[in-house]
Parts: sequence; C-alpha cells; structure tokens
Amino acid sequence: GENVEQHPSTLSVQEGDSAVIKCTYSDSASNYFPWYKQELGKRPQLIIDIRSNVGEKKDQRIAVTLNKTAKHFSLHITETQPEDSAVYFCAASLFTGNQFYFGTGTSLTVIP
Amino acid sequence: ETGVTQSPTHLIKTRGQQVTLRCSSQSGHNTVSWYQQALGQGPQFIFQYYREEENGRGNFPPRFSGLQFPNYSSELNVNALELDDSALYLCASSLVGRAGKNIQYFGAGTRLSVL
Repeated sequence: GENVEQHPSTLSVQEGDSAVIKCTYSDSASNYFPWYKQELGKRPQLIIDIRSNVGEKKDQRIAVTLNKTAKHFSLHITETQPEDSAVYFCAASLFTGNQFYFGTGTSLTVIP
Repeated sequence: ETGVTQSPTHLIKTRGQQVTLRCSSQSGHNTVSWYQQALGQGPQFIFQYYREEENGRGNFPPRFSGLQFPNYSSELNVNALELDDSALYLCASSLVGRAGKNIQYFGAGTRLSVL
C-alpha cells in the first residue's frame, strides 16, 4: 500500500517568514494530494489540494508543489501569521479512490 | 465549518466494553469514511461506506464494524475495547459519483478513552 512520509515533525518560524513542509509518497498511482490544517482540539480542515495533472497550485499565501517523478509534494506558506500555528497533515490518495494515506503531521509554530 | 457532525464528542469506556460512534454527513454527500487518530499521529483509515455498503477497509480487525443508513449517516462500532483503542475517531464525508470525487471533509471527532 501507499506510504506517506512527512518532514519536519516540528517547525518554528518568525512571523512574516515562510514555512515549507515536505511529503513523499510511494505509490505512483496516487494522483490526489490534499493538505489539512488541524488546530488543537479541532477537526482537520482542508486548506489546499492538488491533482497530479498540475505541478503547482496557489491560494493567496498558501501554495502546493508536486513532483510526480520524484514522488514528493510540498506545502509553502508565505508571510506567516500567528494564526497559521497548527498541525499540518499531508495525504495521498486516488482521486476516485476511497482511502487517504496521511503523513504523521508537522507542528508549525509562528512566533510573533 | 463543514456540515459533518459527530456524536458524542467525548466518551469513556472500560476495556472489553462495546462502543457506537455516530456521524452525519454533509448535505449532498453520499459517502462516509472513518479514521482513527492516535495522539500525535496522522489519521489512519478504518473503512468507508458508500451506498450503505463497505467500500474499502484499512488494517483494522473485524471488531471494528460500521453501518451506513439511507440518509447517508453512519455508525462506527467497536467491540471488545482495548486500551490501544483510545484515540480521536474522525469521520469524513464526500460525494462519490460517476465522475468520482474523493474530496473529504472532516467532522470534529469523538475522543474515546478506554480505561
């Protein structure tokens, strides 16, 4: 089955700096890669996703890049703000499939 | 906020007991997936229900079972509870059809503690 690895496990940045979280996956059949943000005690919220037919997608301060050949994808957050502090999870799936394979999460702390 | 609701929010059980967790899917969605999230870990897929039938299962024993009802709501049942079953149980709903869409929206979860 699919195996998703996520790095780093913790990340601290100064407010205004950029943050990058990286994930690798093992199954070349995976073609859908969502990112979720989970604040303490709250539900995972979908913040951005990308399908394998594109290499990059951007939504305001958040962007995701995908390298299908290397089987890795990354989340980029620019101009970080304290409210970006949360645990971020990457996942890999088939867009028409049923199971998301999640990474182990990255705890991001933005220092004011 | 998503329209996915779960109940109860917290639950305490003792080892060997049975538990039922409930999930109401977002309006317009027809599929519910269940995940187990241990502390400090990513969610692990338990199973998915589509059209009232199990549509895929992760690496969980048969004492984890589920149901989906005609209104697309779902239940997760766990028998013979073990200490390691203590976790946050998340359900996620999605709309799956001919075109296929696996965009999943999560509920807030049920925190299960097994003593």
